[in-house]
Amino acid sequence: KNEVEQSPQNLTAQEGEFITINCSYSVGISALHWLQQHPGGGIVSLFMLSSGKKKHGRLIATINIQEKHSSLHITASHPRDSAVYICAVPLGTSGSRLTFGEGTQLTVNP
Amino acid sequence: NAGVTQTPKFQVLKTGQSMTLQCAQDMNHEYMSWYRQDPGMGLRLIHYSVGAGITDQGEVPNGYNVSRSTTEDFPLRLLSAAPSQTSVYFCASSYSRITEAFFGQGTRLTVV
Repeated sequence: KNEVEQSPQNLTAQEGEFITINCSYSVGISALHWLQQHPGGGIVSLFMLSSGKKKHGRLIATINIQEKHSSLHITASHPRDSAVYICAVPLGTSGSRLTFGEGTQLTVNP
Repeated sequence: NAGVTQTPKFQVLKTGQSMTLQCAQDMNHEYMSWYRQDPGMGLRLIHYSVGAGITDQGEVPNGYNVSRSTTEDFPLRLLSAAPSQTSVYFCASSYSRITEAFFGQGTRLTVV
């Protein structure tokens, strides 16, 4: 079993829909990262959170430390949101030793 | 600030050749890491460093060497390239293990 699991693996939505991507992890963590990767592109950090909720524009990330679960929501989705969304948690006692989920491929159709 | 800079962006090697992937950051980050990304497997940690002079192995270190002589630079060396090392490589840095991670644009390596 992977230490970080995401669902769904693939998600297709119509423009304007509300999107939810889930991430569950099996170890105690100090923080969780949500990342975005566009096709052929680099990886961009969207959020780093250790409790509660963070919001940036149409993106909202929540985390429940007790339940070892985080969600990434996209409100009023747009085709430019089409990308792979990855959650990652730092493991080990030092360093940026991120362990990644396999990613969720999101496609938003106009 | 340039952030995290990786070079080259693309590289084709023949089996047995050696090369160095460069990674530099200008944010004075102590933590730097190398990952490889393969289809269906997500990102996997190759090597990481928590400061100049300190490096350690990740999940998939075989066939790769690293050194960290300065805070800014963290090169990844392939000693004798193999087709199994065909992948996209990402370098990342962060101020600490609980702060935002910054990624380079990636290096797409093909070993023939």
